Amino acid sequence: AQLVESGGALVQPGGSLRLSCAVSGFTVDSNYLSWVRQAPGKGLEWVSVILLAGSTTYADSVKGRFTISRDSSKNMLFLQMTSLRTEDTAVYYCVGSSSRGLGFDFWGQGTLVTVSS
Amino acid sequence: DIVMTQSPDSLAVSLGERATINCKSSHSVLSTSSYRNCVAWYQQRPGQPPRLLIYWASTRESGVPDRFSGSGSGTDFTLTISSLQAEDVAVYYCQQAYTTPYTFGQGTRLEIK
Repeated sequence: AQLVESGGALVQPGGSLRLSCAVSGFTVDSNYLSWVRQAPGKGLEWVSVILLAGSTTYADSVKGRFTISRDSSKNMLFLQMTSLRTEDTAVYYCVGSSSRGLGFDFWGQGTLVTVSS
Repeated sequence: DIVMTQSPDSLAVSLGERATINCKSSHSVLSTSSYRNCVAWYQQRPGQPPRLLIYWASTRESGVPDRFSGSGSGTDFTLTISSLQAEDVAVYYCQQAYTTPYTFGQGTRLEIK
């Protein structure tokens, strides 16, 4: 399995950005897919998950601002980010779980989002 | 939210010696449907994404050396490296995969003494 993120950039506070994750080796609707972020020099923070049936859940810190989605025809995962804040600055990882409760067994290399004026 | 607290924050161990990292969850993470403790351990080397080492508290991921082991149940969990190698220098994280928001411990930095 391989996960490849793209779309990270420098954006001003209040701006928007869409991250993409190209998935190979499995289909996006056969695994639980999440976004996990890591601020510079800090620990790991789970952001959002999309479950097998398509339902979604978000961390309180991004609820109402971020939207996770998937495109089965392209086998891709997305994260639409709006109303970006400086504290959203982080490397964003696309991650997969082959079984609920297992943890994240697939990780991408990450894409850097910098929110700064 | 379930809080995961690791100890210690940093650890220095001699090559060939045992390293032990602890993780305590604020609530039980035992799944009543699978009877499995939903705790995972990750290794993150500098400049790399995290790598899954252990899932369901004690199951070693494929390809992970057998010097890595996980134990514990309920709210107390442990990652043990039986004989430290130079390539084990990294930050280690525990995570609960029981319920959202999925939460991580703050990380333990492991160095060579």
